[in-house]
Amino acid sequence: ETAVFQTPNYHVTQVGNEVSFNCKQTLGHDTMYWYKQDSKKLLKIMFSYNNKQLIVNETVPRRFSPQSSDKAHLNLRIKSVEPEDSAVYLCASSYRGGGSQNTLYFGAGTRLSVL
Amino acid sequence: GDSVTQTEGLVTLTEGLPVMLNCTYQTIYSNPFLFWYVQHLNESPRLLLKSFTDNKRTEHQGFHATLHKSSSSFHLQKSSAQLSDSALYYCALSDRVYYGNEKITFGAGTKLTIKP
Repeated sequence: ETAVFQTPNYHVTQVGNEVSFNCKQTLGHDTMYWYKQDSKKLLKIMFSYNNKQLIVNETVPRRFSPQSSDKAHLNLRIKSVEPEDSAVYLCASSYRGGGSQNTLYFGAGTRLSVL
Repeated sequence: GDSVTQTEGLVTLTEGLPVMLNCTYQTIYSNPFLFWYVQHLNESPRLLLKSFTDNKRTEHQGFHATLHKSSSSFHLQKSSAQLSDSALYYCALSDRVYYGNEKITFGAGTKLTIKP
């Protein structure tokens, strides 16, 4: 049963446009993440958000910005997409409290195609 | 920084043969957590098994792995491959030294294909 929900499933856009992806988790977790999975299936962390603390991966271009209203929601905005942004964006959540081993629960992903 | 190495990008086996996928890691922290995630076609990654205890075998769904800190390894094994095991397998490393600033590093993944 899916507990990390992502919308949209697919998005096709042109270079320079702005896009936003949404993610919601119903697991009661305190930490959420955005990962990028490229065409070679490499999984790279982009952001993590724990109790209102944003942790930014320094290799992420500044056109990417996460937005979080509460622990259950983490959105991703790309201000001006580039062709290399074409990828699957995976949202994940985990629970860090109480000696957790930080198991990630992934959403189904948003596939972005930039023309 | 941390790194995870999966030496095989592609592994093709015949059904019924044993599976072994290699995973080694590098970290300066003495208490890492190691994970195997599996991603089937058109699905998202999900946890297969995990461990943080040195030299203790961890098992789940017929797969097993043992964390060996002496060799920085966490190889994934299964005694007999099934067609349904065909998937992409990621080894991942988590350090937990700094609460709230935890890093999870994934290997490049190994695509396992099981043939009849």
